[in-house]
Amino acid sequence: EPEVTQTPSHQVTQMGQEVILRCVPISNHLYFYWYRQILGQKVEFLVSFYNNEISEKSEIFDDQFSVERPDGSNFTLKIRSTKLEDSAMYFCATWWTSGANVLTFGAGSRLTVL
Amino acid sequence: KNEVEQSPQNLTAQEGEFITINCSYSVGISALHWLQQHPGGGIVSLFMLSSGKKKHGRLIATINIQEKHSSLHITASHPRDSAVYICAVAGRDDKIIFGKGTRLHILP
Repeated sequence: EPEVTQTPSHQVTQMGQEVILRCVPISNHLYFYWYRQILGQKVEFLVSFYNNEISEKSEIFDDQFSVERPDGSNFTLKIRSTKLEDSAMYFCATWWTSGANVLTFGAGSRLTVL
Repeated sequence: KNEVEQSPQNLTAQEGEFITINCSYSVGISALHWLQQHPGGGIVSLFMLSSGKKKHGRLIATINIQEKHSSLHITASHPRDSAVYICAVAGRDDKIIFGKGTRLHILP
């Protein structure tokens, strides 16, 4: 069954460092999303990406965050200067609005900012 | 602003019981997802609904578009069903808003 692959599974970084989280979406999916979940809290929407551009972003997704598809396949989330409160599980999800219409999540990348 | 409310927040039941988890939302949507998150953190999509009812094994999901309400039912519940169940709604703007989840614990 097609999978969404995320790397790294866990990253520990110092406050102020840049972090890049990577997602390999399912090949025929057109909609890509990043979400985060702070420990013990609900999943929060960060950004949606369609047709190689951001289609929607939340108030969490400030200038410290950016997304891109550098090579047309991988989908990355960059945090420029990490803060302690960026510690969370980051999930990538992809969706195609036909066929099974299933929103498919990656296993997540756990980010720990020290 | 679309709000997604789930109830109950926590539910403990005995093995074999019929389980119902409810989800209400406040604005028009293009689709509603029911997701399952296990203690390890991984999220699995159970259903996507835009109308009516879907069934998969012991799981049944229904949606009433007019009432802006959806329910997830589990028949003959089992301890392995213990997880957090999340309702997520897809608005017409591609944004998907998540409910806070319902933590289900099935006792053997």
